[in-house]
Amino acid sequence: AQSVTQLGSHVSVSEGALVLLRCNYSSSVPPYLFWYVQYPNQGLQLLLKYTTGATLVKGINGFEAEFKKSETSFHLTKPSAHMSDAAEYFCAVSDLPNQAGTALIFGKGTTLSVSS
Amino acid sequence: ETGVTQTPRHLVMGMTNKKSLKCEQHLGHNAMYWYKQSAKKPLELMFVYNFKEQTENNSVPSRFSPECPNSSHLFLHLHTLQPEDSALYLCASSQGYGQGNTEAFFGQGTRLTVV
Repeated sequence: AQSVTQLGSHVSVSEGALVLLRCNYSSSVPPYLFWYVQYPNQGLQLLLKYTTGATLVKGINGFEAEFKKSETSFHLTKPSAHMSDAAEYFCAVSDLPNQAGTALIFGKGTTLSVSS
Repeated sequence: ETGVTQTPRHLVMGMTNKKSLKCEQHLGHNAMYWYKQSAKKPLELMFVYNFKEQTENNSVPSRFSPECPNSSHLFLHLHTLQPEDSALYLCASSQGYGQGNTEAFFGQGTRLTVV
């Protein structure tokens, strides 16, 4: 069965520093991979996704992620953190992309704190 | 309205009450989902509906009863809940067909407190 592991439940960075949130997945077929962000008392918002093609994908708010099949990883990065990036981030996998009703499987989430 | 809308946003209910959560999507999607988000736990998939048919039930207790009258609406009927059922309940929808169409769109959730 597919699964997602997010290393580090809490990451703290200074404003302007590099953000790196780690995600490793397990999937029996080529996966579709996603990063979502959740602000307090809100639903989840899609940051970016990888389906096929270019392995480096860019998302909203300056985030990007790179799909590395050999490492089964999909780490999220942002060159320079902003205070507004403080939130919880979830990595998710779907390995039946062409079937309707295929639910995403989420990691446990990583809380990002940004200090001034 | 656009996107996925959940009502109510907050709900406090006693263990003997019966209440319902509502979710509506205006995206023309075919699949809808209920997730439970508890503190310090990963998102738990509860139910999946595909073209109004339930296709997945992740061993959810029978005190949670979903209903999907059409592809745009999803309900979660609650009765005789326990305090440990207190959580954020998230509804999502997705298209699911074809490449790149499997991302889920989430509502803002219903914060449920069982007292």
